[in-house]
Amino acid sequence: GAVVSQHPSWVICKSGTSVKIECRSLDFQATTMFWYRQFPKQSLMLMATSNEGSKATYEQGVEKDKFLINHASLTLSTLTVTSAHPEDSSFYICSATRTDRGGSNQPQHFGDGTRLSIL
Amino acid sequence: QKEVEQNSGPLSVPEGAIASLNCTYSDRGSQSFFWYRQYSGKSPELIMSIYSNGDKEDGRFTAQLNKASQYVSLLIRDSQPSDSATYLCAVNLADSSYKLIFGSGTRLLVRP
Repeated sequence: GAVVSQHPSWVICKSGTSVKIECRSLDFQATTMFWYRQFPKQSLMLMATSNEGSKATYEQGVEKDKFLINHASLTLSTLTVTSAHPEDSSFYICSATRTDRGGSNQPQHFGDGTRLSIL
Repeated sequence: QKEVEQNSGPLSVPEGAIASLNCTYSDRGSQSFFWYRQYSGKSPELIMSIYSNGDKEDGRFTAQLNKASQYVSLLIRDSQPSDSATYLCAVNLADSSYKLIFGSGTRLLVRP
């Protein structure tokens, strides 16, 4: 149980392209999902909290107009990197929490990540 | 600023030895503590969760929690080369936001 699917697993595209990444909770409902970014040999950096049916909450320094998050259903959140540039190249990882079990003590379950390379 | 501290390592142990990974956290109200394993180029994988003071064992892994000292540890018995990875300590915030604060991770190297 607690499987999170992330798609695509890797993307290579030209500078200026917008890229959409999908994160799905396959066997549970997740009213809250998270988006992280990780550069090589660095730790996870939380970008934003995705809330079903409401606006995402962005961490300080993360541009909300650059990284668009949509969480339209209980099992799907999407991250769109708009007008991507080479400095946006990174490993993007989503996670989901089993909020249907109540309480805030549930772990986060991670998708497999998306490796984004902007040429 | 809520923080989770880990020694970055690398922690190098011989195959078959016990690996001991440590973590301290700053938020006294935290109630949930997790250990994730992350192989190079992969996403984190949950390996242990602990909520109460004391020890929790799962196979070769034992998590230890001491809330008074704000200290969490992970012991890996009979370490195998396949255990070589970065281990992330994660602590929930006491604000019920489902958000976790991650340490920067300890890199473990198990020598054959």
